[in-house]
Amino acid sequence: GENVEQHPSTLSVQEGDSAVIKCTYSDSASNYFPWYKQELGKRPQLIIDIRSNVGEKKDQRIAVTLNKTAKHFSLHITETQPEDSAVYFCADQFYFGTGTSLTVIP
Amino acid sequence: SQTIHQWPATLVQPVGSPLSLECTVEGTSNPNLYWYRQAAGRGLQLLFYSVGIGQISSEVPQNLSASRPQDRQFILSSKKLLLSDSGFYLCAWSEGRYEQYFGPGTRLTVT
Repeated sequence: GENVEQHPSTLSVQEGDSAVIKCTYSDSASNYFPWYKQELGKRPQLIIDIRSNVGEKKDQRIAVTLNKTAKHFSLHITETQPEDSAVYFCADQFYFGTGTSLTVIP
Repeated sequence: SQTIHQWPATLVQPVGSPLSLECTVEGTSNPNLYWYRQAAGRGLQLLFYSVGIGQISSEVPQNLSASRPQDRQFILSSKKLLLSDSGFYLCAWSEGRYEQYFGPGTRLTVT
């Protein structure tokens, strides 16, 4: 579970548009994929997670999809708002991706 | 409810000096504990994790070490700091191998 790739590294969207962040992992035995949001100077906070026995999970404007065959998972944020601006990290259990800096333009 | 504390919040240390960062968790028993480092503008690098007292797994060989003298206490140490040790150090806990909860972090500057 150590190799987690995350794209894009930066993302700018207009307020109200959708944002998609994608991650890939290498360990086929991995079974837990959390997403964290980190605002400047603050600690990461869990926003949503998915376990390997489901393919999709939604929580209001946020959804995560998992494709175990292809070993990739994605975060989808709909109807983006300026307060969604932050750095988002995917993880394969304890191993983090490199982060995506999301900017929502009002 | 569970809370996690880290101190100090900020620290400025000269190269070659020792380091001791402390993390404590309240409101849970036998948590898994983790130390991460985040360099400026970068991702989180897992340094150590512990599943119990005295049980430490090291992810990255370097001049840092970790200890868990009590169930809810996790300490990160160094005998001699390097400039490259500068960063934001985050402690986290979890019940089992799922959701992690992070502490407020320690911002370390090595000069």
